[in-house]
Amino acid sequence: GAVVSQHPSRVICKSGTSVKIECRSLDFQATTMFWYRQFPKKSLMLMATSNEGSKATYEQGVEKDKFLINHASLTLSTLTVTSAHPEDSSFYICSARDHSSGNTIYFGEGSWLTVV
Amino acid sequence: AQSVTQPDIHITVSEGASLELRCNYSYGATPYLFWYVQSPGQGLQLLLKYFSGDTLVQGIKGFEAEFKRSQSSFNLRKPSVHWSDAAEYFCAVLTGTASKLTFGTGTRLQVTL
Repeated sequence: GAVVSQHPSRVICKSGTSVKIECRSLDFQATTMFWYRQFPKKSLMLMATSNEGSKATYEQGVEKDKFLINHASLTLSTLTVTSAHPEDSSFYICSARDHSSGNTIYFGEGSWLTVV
Repeated sequence: AQSVTQPDIHITVSEGASLELRCNYSYGATPYLFWYVQSPGQGLQLLLKYFSGDTLVQGIKGFEAEFKRSQSSFNLRKPSVHWSDAAEYFCAVLTGTASKLTFGTGTRLQVTL
């Protein structure tokens, strides 16, 4: 099946610094990717929709200047958490839509971010 | 607005027993429905999906789900549960031209030996 890969799987950063998480579709092209945040024992919260070649669409309440999303190619979207704070510590998951299989959406393995 | 309800937050079954996880959706048009499984600290793995056609769909790991339009349901079933099935299960509906997934709150499955 289609594979979506995230990197890094775990990252620790200091408060005030920025950290970038990559999401790649390995065997299909994805014009649309999605970024989610998941709190412990909770469901996924959609943060934004990443569109190749255009600006991301952010969900209500998500700070676009803090969570920068870039979708520069059909196989790569990046999420940059800027000026990170401890409350940004979370599990971030991306997903990508595979047009070749209809509307199937595949998820990455997730990235644990810890801000200290 | 679309929504997905998973009424059972936590279910415990014995290994070898049958399993049914409930999912109800609210969406005006024909839905695209998914079941995903998440092990602790991991991403989501697609179990199965329904887009159209046969309302009984087969997935990986011996899971199946049945789409019932009259009941707005898409329940996940497995005839015999294995200890390795213990995980969090999410039902989701795909909506709108932006293809956003709306998730249920999840059902945590515990399997006793």
